Amino acid sequence: GAVVSQHPSWVICKSGTSVKIECRSLDFQATTMFWYRQFPKQSLMLMATSNEGSKATYEQGVEKDKFLINHASLTLSTLTVTSAHPEDSSFYICSALPGRGNTEAFFGQGTRLTVV
Amino acid sequence: QKEVEQNSGPLSVPEGAIASLNCTYSDRGSQSFFWYRQYSGKSPELIMSIYSNGDKEDGRFTAQLNKASQYVSLLIRDSQPSDSATYLCACLPSGAGSYQLTFGKGTKLSVIP
Repeated sequence: GAVVSQHPSWVICKSGTSVKIECRSLDFQATTMFWYRQFPKQSLMLMATSNEGSKATYEQGVEKDKFLINHASLTLSTLTVTSAHPEDSSFYICSALPGRGNTEAFFGQGTRLTVV
Repeated sequence: QKEVEQNSGPLSVPEGAIASLNCTYSDRGSQSFFWYRQYSGKSPELIMSIYSNGDKEDGRFTAQLNKASQYVSLLIRDSQPSDSATYLCACLPSGAGSYQLTFGKGTKLSVIP
């Protein structure tokens, strides 16, 4: 399958600071990437859809000014959690679709964010 | 509200048995269905996709789809302890240009040696 690389795998940050998470498609171009958040024992919740060269589409209830998404190239999308607070501690996962019309999404390794 | 429902489990089966995981979905227009395996602390891994009614087999895994009943299942034959994980059912809702998966909450499977 296609490879999606996410970095970092885990990060601990102080409350009030910002954290950037990178999602890269290594062997394909991804016009669309997705960002999910997963709390313990919960399912994946879609936060936003990231489209290369345009603004991200956020799901209801997700603050666009807090979770900044940049999809500057066909292989890279970034999620920046701004002014992080302990309640933002979660498992953040990106996924990508290898090409238009392809419906099989591949996931990055995930980023475990802990805000202290 | 488009929903995907799964029994949260845990589902316990002995090693070598068949594990049967079930999923129902609410969007009748959904066309694409997926099973992901997620180990604790890891991200989901795609193991099966199915698009048409009937069975699709891949090694020890068989996905079954019944669009009339809005039901999709995953059978794991000769279950191994390494199959112990949470299995997520996902569907692609209908809608032009829609690529956003809707996930169930997952079924936790434990294969007992």
